[in-house]
Amino acid sequence: ETGVTQTPRHLVMGMTNKKSLKCEQHLGHNAMYWYKQSAKKPLELMFVYSLEERVENNSVPSRFSPECPNSSHLFLHLHTLQPEDSALYLCASRSNLWGGSRETQYFGPGTRLLVL
Amino acid sequence: AQTVTQSQPEMSVQEAETVTLSCTYDTSESDYYLFWYKQPPSRQMILVIRQEAYKQQNATENRFSVNFQKAAKSFSLKISDSQLGDAAMYFCAYRGLIQGAQKLVFGQGTRLTINP
Repeated sequence: ETGVTQTPRHLVMGMTNKKSLKCEQHLGHNAMYWYKQSAKKPLELMFVYSLEERVENNSVPSRFSPECPNSSHLFLHLHTLQPEDSALYLCASRSNLWGGSRETQYFGPGTRLLVL
Repeated sequence: AQTVTQSQPEMSVQEAETVTLSCTYDTSESDYYLFWYKQPPSRQMILVIRQEAYKQQNATENRFSVNFQKAAKSFSLKISDSQLGDAAMYFCAYRGLIQGAQKLVFGQGTRLTINP
């Protein structure tokens, strides 16, 4: 256990559905991330929330919408997804405070998403 | 251009033997961080070891050690006394300034198999 939890662990959805992925960290961190992991590809950074500042990867389609209501919770809202969006979605968190592990990201177990 | 390159898609080693996983990276920065993450079949991304670029001493964590060659931009992972539980995908990652922003970039991974 890394202190970062994600729900659900598995999700199957149709292209017209709306769903949300949830991430919660219990580490007192103040930066959170969404990554997409597809087969045969390196992890792709989708979104960063750091001290309430949102940084986006401009290549992420608008059918993905992040929300970070506080420093412990992060959501990824999904709507009208495509089959190519099927992947493992990983959440990570990091502390922005000065210290030995400041530059280390800790990952959740991921949500395996299948879009039919 | 690929920032982090893992040239070995797959590696295998006999249990109790030693294996080295390769990683090279491309940067013009002098201050950055390097990581090795392990992703077992459970999909949880787990930090194995980290190295600060300003430190000349190679990082070690129990059976895991790195060979950090800053001039060559090489960051290999050595696993000693390999155990069955070491079987996983191993990702090398670089954290530093990329296009003006601090980012964590992953290589494509090396799948490590442990033969009993």
